[in-house]
Amino acid sequence: NAGVTQTPKFRVLKTGQSMTLLCAQDMNHEYMYWYRQDPGMGLRLIHYSVGEGTTAKGEVPDGYNVSRLKKQNFLLGLESAAPSQTSVYFCASSYSIMNEQFFGPGTRLTVL
Amino acid sequence: AQSVTQPDIHITVSEGASLELRCNYSYGATPYLFWYVQSPGQGLQLLLKYFSGDTLVQGIKGFEAEFKRSQSSFNLRKPSVHWSDAAEYFCAVGLGAAGNKLTFGGGTRVLVKP
Repeated sequence: NAGVTQTPKFRVLKTGQSMTLLCAQDMNHEYMYWYRQDPGMGLRLIHYSVGEGTTAKGEVPDGYNVSRLKKQNFLLGLESAAPSQTSVYFCASSYSIMNEQFFGPGTRLTVL
Repeated sequence: AQSVTQPDIHITVSEGASLELRCNYSYGATPYLFWYVQSPGQGLQLLLKYFSGDTLVQGIKGFEAEFKRSQSSFNLRKPSVHWSDAAEYFCAVGLGAAGNKLTFGGGTRVLVKP
């Protein structure tokens, strides 16, 4: 099993450009999450999904959109990137809140 | 709103010495509690978790944590640190049915001296 995979691993954008980050899991988990990690702030939840076709806002959702068209995939979109979105993005999945969240390796995004 | 505080941003410890990382949370009920470790350039890996029952929890890599309700704390300990324990450690709190979400502390970076 590959676990949780994320593509791409690195990306540099110019302000105003758009992009989509892809997260895939092969563990048949219902729950999937997108976090951003910034120095000294731990991980902050952007959006999450409790099942195929569902999405919900987390702590810092502004400027991001998500979709969960297939159970195994969770996409994070930036429609118009801003320098404040420079961060490391992690995707995670879990069977439920009482089970561990499995994390992907992260995507390092720089917005110039 | 719930919050998680890790008071120590950096800790330096000698190899073979003991380690304790502090975590305090703010929430009315007893939440689900987790400790994760992140090695440089990697994702997060679960060390241990507490939901209920015995307040001393054993985890992987020789780590343990103790839940103290009166202090709203969930401190992580290891009796003898190895050089491979150098990493960043995150405490996290979950609200369970109230949202299926985790709130993370700011993290503690551990440096291990030879």
